[in-house]
Amino acid sequence: ILNVEQSPQSLHVQEGDSTNFTCSFPSSNFYALHWYRWETAKSPEALFVMTLNGDEKKKGRISATLNTKEGYSYLYIKGSQPEDSATYLCASTQGGSEKLVFGKGTKLTVNP
Amino acid sequence: NAGVMQNPRHLVRRRGQEARLRCSPMKGHSHVYWYRQLPEEGLKFMVYLQKENIIDESGMPKERFSAEFPKEGPSILRIQQVVRGDSAAYFCASSPRLAGISYNEQFFGPGTRLTVL
Repeated sequence: ILNVEQSPQSLHVQEGDSTNFTCSFPSSNFYALHWYRWETAKSPEALFVMTLNGDEKKKGRISATLNTKEGYSYLYIKGSQPEDSATYLCASTQGGSEKLVFGKGTKLTVNP
Repeated sequence: NAGVMQNPRHLVRRRGQEARLRCSPMKGHSHVYWYRQLPEEGLKFMVYLQKENIIDESGMPKERFSAEFPKEGPSILRIQQVVRGDSAAYFCASSPRLAGISYNEQFFGPGTRLTVL
């Protein structure tokens, strides 16, 4: 059974703070790691897909790293803004399967 | 290019009725996935379909649930004889099948929130 865990469950930061959160996943038979940003009442929005150990992806102030050998990924947000407030989901796929296995998410609140 | 569309956005049914949830994938996408979010839970995979074929239904409850993706028209997730425990948010995602790509990025719709009274 593939278990994806995210921590922390929720996070409150002040505008301008940098922050990061963790996604851990079983490293055996790993295929890909997906990060999504999910605002209330909207569709989850794809941020990154990573497949290779050591991968780093960046989109504006948001970046992510991947360690497939130890089974974790970090998402970083530099200089948080109130509009970054959302739930950040990670999901993993195993080789041969298309289905995403999601963690429960990290809910980020950025206070002005 | 319109995103993944789902309708209705909210659906209320009484116990024992049928619920039909529709998903129109993004233009050019031939793969559809359904996920469910129960209260206080994360998104859980239900079923993966290509046009006219069910590829993986390992997450579908054995009874009362069915899914289809016909050659023409949207994908339908059908729940017969709904019970209170079926109350959840149901999300659809779609992806293209790109040659030479070892993974498929999935694009999500806004979900259908089903409430069973």
